[in-house]
Amino acid sequence: DTAVSQTPKYLVTQMGNDKSIKCEQNLGHDTMYWYKQDSKKFLKIMFSYNNKELIINETVPNRFSPKSPDKAHLNLHINSLELGDSAVYFCASSHSSGGEQFFGPGTRLTVL
Amino acid sequence: GENVEQHPSTLSVQEGDSAVIKCTYSDSASNYFPWYKQELGKRPQLIIDIRSNVGEKKDQRIAVTLNKTAKHFSLHITETQPEDSAVYFCAALDSSYKLIFGSGTRLLVRP
Repeated sequence: DTAVSQTPKYLVTQMGNDKSIKCEQNLGHDTMYWYKQDSKKFLKIMFSYNNKELIINETVPNRFSPKSPDKAHLNLHINSLELGDSAVYFCASSHSSGGEQFFGPGTRLTVL
Repeated sequence: GENVEQHPSTLSVQEGDSAVIKCTYSDSASNYFPWYKQELGKRPQLIIDIRSNVGEKKDQRIAVTLNKTAKHFSLHITETQPEDSAVYFCAALDSSYKLIFGSGTRLLVRP
């Protein structure tokens, strides 16, 4: 029944490591997103894909690389993790760009 | 680019009272304004939204108003209940289809 799911829910890792977060939606939506929510709860768009094509790429360090193997999946790979990358990362999806967005449960990343 | 400002940052009301949260936006081309509720440790969930072709929308105890001329929109919650306690975010969809969020309002409903 889960509409937008993410794995893992928690991720604790050391500085300098490389990690990935996976996202899947079973809503048949065309558009998927990655957001970062920092410690002050501020939500900021990072990337958006529409039908596997990158359409939004905010000012994000190139250590962050999204990958969309198909319309239902959007993964986020982060290289050389830094302390400032600690945050909650939310995946979301919508029927089309500009439509109502449904959020995943979030992945809390802690970099030590 | 679009900038969304949200006030107040915290709001404490007595159960049964009304709560109002206000947002302003800068991009006159923005045409979709959702409101999200986020409980502690949970995902943001859409509670109501409005498009720029209407001025007001209601859903039970929740209403949203939009003033396109002044570029501001507000969330109104009537007869507040303790389970309304959460962080509320307004957002505006800009002309590049980016959803720009306000900084959030922490609402506490005192029993």
